[in-house]
Amino acid sequence: GAGVSQSPSNKVTEKGKDVELRCDPISGHTALYWYRQSLGQGLEFLIYFQGNSAPDKSGLPSDRFSAERTGGSVSTLTIQRTQQEDSAVYLCASSFGRYNEQFFGPGTRLTVL
Amino acid sequence: AQSVTQPDIHITVSEGASLELRCNYSYGATPYLFWYVQSPGQGLQLLLKYFSGDTLVQGIKGFEAEFKRSQSSFNLRKPSVHWSDAAEYFCAVVGTGGGNKLTFGTGTQLKVEL
Repeated sequence: GAGVSQSPSNKVTEKGKDVELRCDPISGHTALYWYRQSLGQGLEFLIYFQGNSAPDKSGLPSDRFSAERTGGSVSTLTIQRTQQEDSAVYLCASSFGRYNEQFFGPGTRLTVL
Repeated sequence: AQSVTQPDIHITVSEGASLELRCNYSYGATPYLFWYVQSPGQGLQLLLKYFSGDTLVQGIKGFEAEFKRSQSSFNLRKPSVHWSDAAEYFCAVVGTGGGNKLTFGTGTQLKVEL
């Protein structure tokens, strides 16, 4: 597996339920990013991990959103008590080194009914 | 705060014609600049990047972009468009001052007429 993978590819949930989205970065990439892509807001940064630490969480839209990264690898984005405005495509990216060339996964399309 | 403007929401060109997609950025220092392409239902693929040095950068799929500091621009060009180039194109910037997040433009949807 050479690229960034995300699961599930699609998720349909009911308003008020919690969801977990997973990202497997490229092996050896120390940095991991979550972005959200929606019709109204375009591509928005959510959170950035360097190793297992998150030095920049400035894009998380509310305290219902959280993320963790373990072992410097896999990351999980959790959305609690989902709302309809959370419907979007959630993209994960990883990078290695100084120049921040980010490689993106295919995304998870979240639909909140 | 850094920002990126892509003034053209939609562009239509004929196959074989030349293409230029505009991108203007706002950032106090020299930024790192990127162009990504997104095909329907796909993630983002990096076309090219500019960090420093030669202001004309070559990318994949025959694309190139030119960094013009005086105009705060990083326009994407292709001399002859193929039908498979139809997609959405995003310009993005990363600040060199420490933040690592990409700030994206709103994207330009390219349609190619056969």
